[in-house]
Amino acid sequence: GESVGLHLPTLSVQEGDNSIINCAYSNSASDYFIWYKQESGKGPQFIIDIRSNMDKRQGQRVTVLLNKTVKHLSLQIAATQPGDSAVYFCAETQGGSQGNLIFGKGTKLSVKP
Amino acid sequence: EADIYQTPRYLVIGTGKKITLECSQTMGHDKMYWYQQDPGMELHLIHYSYGVNSTEKGDLSSESTVSRIRTEHFPLTLESARPSHTSQYLCASVEGGRGRNNEQFFGPGTRLTVL
Repeated sequence: GESVGLHLPTLSVQEGDNSIINCAYSNSASDYFIWYKQESGKGPQFIIDIRSNMDKRQGQRVTVLLNKTVKHLSLQIAATQPGDSAVYFCAETQGGSQGNLIFGKGTKLSVKP
Repeated sequence: EADIYQTPRYLVIGTGKKITLECSQTMGHDKMYWYQQDPGMELHLIHYSYGVNSTEKGDLSSESTVSRIRTEHFPLTLESARPSHTSQYLCASVEGGRGRNNEQFFGPGTRLTVL
């Protein structure tokens, strides 16, 4: 079936380094994507989104890249900090901003001091 | 910070009990959702609502039911809890409306353990 998945279940980086978290999606009809961050014991928190008519979007210290050719989404975190340690999920939807989200398996990011 | 609340945060109950998980949001959002999430795993949509008197089943089959009598309130009920219901339940809401983004605001979750 159609699903959103992540390439790596865990990622460990040194504080100050850049982090790249990847996500592969299988439904070419998906047109809206979101990255969420979930800290232990909390609900997911929105980080950044991107529509399928874009290939890059930047936020504060975060950048999302979308490659529709290979159906790949990535989240780049610049100068990773200990507070970035969390599980990161990508989510996709069809029907633009009104569709229900389909979440992928998370990637656990650990930041070493 | 999002104004969406879930109670209780933690619940341990015996098999066969009826429980209701509460979710409330003060943002006036039309669309609300319930997700089930096992530790470290992806979120699975079990119920959603477009607004008052609207309820829909999600992608994951669930023995729970929901109601939406008021915009701000979206409770989830399990008539007879079983150990297989042990999981974390997350509630979310989104402003909805044409042209608005789909940023879902999540509550802190209810961690349910059925013995």
